Amino acid sequence: GQQLNQSPQSMFIQEGEDVSMNCTSSSIFNTWLWYKQDPGEGPVLLIALYKAGELTSNGRLTAQFGITRKDSFLNISASIPSDVGIYFCAAAAGGTSYGKLTFGQGTILTVHP
Amino acid sequence: DAGITQSPRHKVTETGTPVTLRCHQTENHRYMYWYRQDPGHGLRLIHYSYGVKDTDKGEVSDGYSVSRSKTEDFLLTLESATSSQTSVYFCAISEPGHYTGELFFGEGSRLTVL
Repeated sequence: GQQLNQSPQSMFIQEGEDVSMNCTSSSIFNTWLWYKQDPGEGPVLLIALYKAGELTSNGRLTAQFGITRKDSFLNISASIPSDVGIYFCAAAAGGTSYGKLTFGQGTILTVHP
Repeated sequence: DAGITQSPRHKVTETGTPVTLRCHQTENHRYMYWYRQDPGHGLRLIHYSYGVKDTDKGEVSDGYSVSRSKTEDFLLTLESATSSQTSVYFCAISEPGHYTGELFFGEGSRLTVL
């Protein structure tokens, strides 16, 4: 099946540092999304991108939909302890694909105070 | 928070036994999904439903069946559980007209098959 390659697999950073993670695919997708999962919870949508080249921000988070439609990145600025969790990229073909998402393997983020 | 309740939240069972996981929503969303989460694999789609009695297979559907007799309930059944089905199972919902991919997830059901 289709796969998304997400990197890095884990990150250990100090509070206040910026974070960058990315996701690549060999297939073209028409929608890219970033979800965050807190321990013991289900994933929660952070940012959704619907247009190639689109750059979208949500507070300290910024994400971009790659112009080739095969990649996306997520940046977190000035990290804080509550940023701890697992970050997943996800993608969909769009149209009638609705919630049929392909997910990356996840990036585990640890923030040291 | 979206009104999604999964039950049971934790279950330990033995190989070969049947297991049913339930997802109940109070949002009246039309679309419902079952995903499984495993280390190194992220989340993978098992089955989904676009309406009552309208279901279809996802990426990893072998060994699973689903049923949706009411808008609010989506059941996932493992007819004969195997150790490879040890996982955390997430139900998700979405609504047509909303943007593709914007799912609301439940809190998960952790299943251990011994």
